[in-house]
Amino acid sequence: NAGVMQNPRHLVRRRGQEARLRCSPMKGHSHVYWYRQLPEEGLKFMVYLQKENIIDESGMPKERFSAEFPKEGPSILRIQQVVRGDSAAYFCASSNTSGRYNEQFFGPGTRLTVL
Amino acid sequence: AQTVTQSQPEMSVQEAETVTLSCTYDTSESNYYLFWYKQPPSRQMILVIRQEAYKQQNATENRFSVNFQKAAKSFSLKISDSQLGDTAMYFCAFMKPRGDMRFGAGTRLTVKP
Repeated sequence: NAGVMQNPRHLVRRRGQEARLRCSPMKGHSHVYWYRQLPEEGLKFMVYLQKENIIDESGMPKERFSAEFPKEGPSILRIQQVVRGDSAAYFCASSNTSGRYNEQFFGPGTRLTVL
Repeated sequence: AQTVTQSQPEMSVQEAETVTLSCTYDTSESNYYLFWYKQPPSRQMILVIRQEAYKQQNATENRFSVNFQKAAKSFSLKISDSQLGDTAMYFCAFMKPRGDMRFGAGTRLTVKP
């Protein structure tokens, strides 16, 4: 059973370009969470999605950032007009609804570098 | 809002000795979960141990154990018989049932030979 997959693992963009980060959850998982880790900091929650629904986007910046989790295919975190401050590692985690709590399984992360 | 505080940015320990990493949290919830994650240089987030708040018994996982003090909102991690492979960043995290996770800023642990 493959774990959570994220691609690309490394992404370099110039200021003003768009970045698209992909997350394929574990098989059978219908919940996806995105986190951002700035250098020397812990992970910060960004958004929680279920298939075709955004459940909680309280951690998302108000502008330039969007996320989706379509019925088919991976979850996408999209950053428009990137700036240097967007450079960070972006982690995706997935879970299912069974059990007392939604244990989250993390992907390897995508390291975004904005030049 | 829940906050998680790790007051030790860096710690070191000699191989085979014991080290304790501190974590405190703030919440008004009565039911929640606490976690310790390890992040080696590869950046992969590896679950070390978890504790369910309604359980009084401290969780144990091989060389890793926690001291969970619910009233004090404290959740420390003890690593016994430290090994070189334990060198990593360690993050404490809080989660409401079926919710997102809130992480502390991390403690960088170095195990010295």
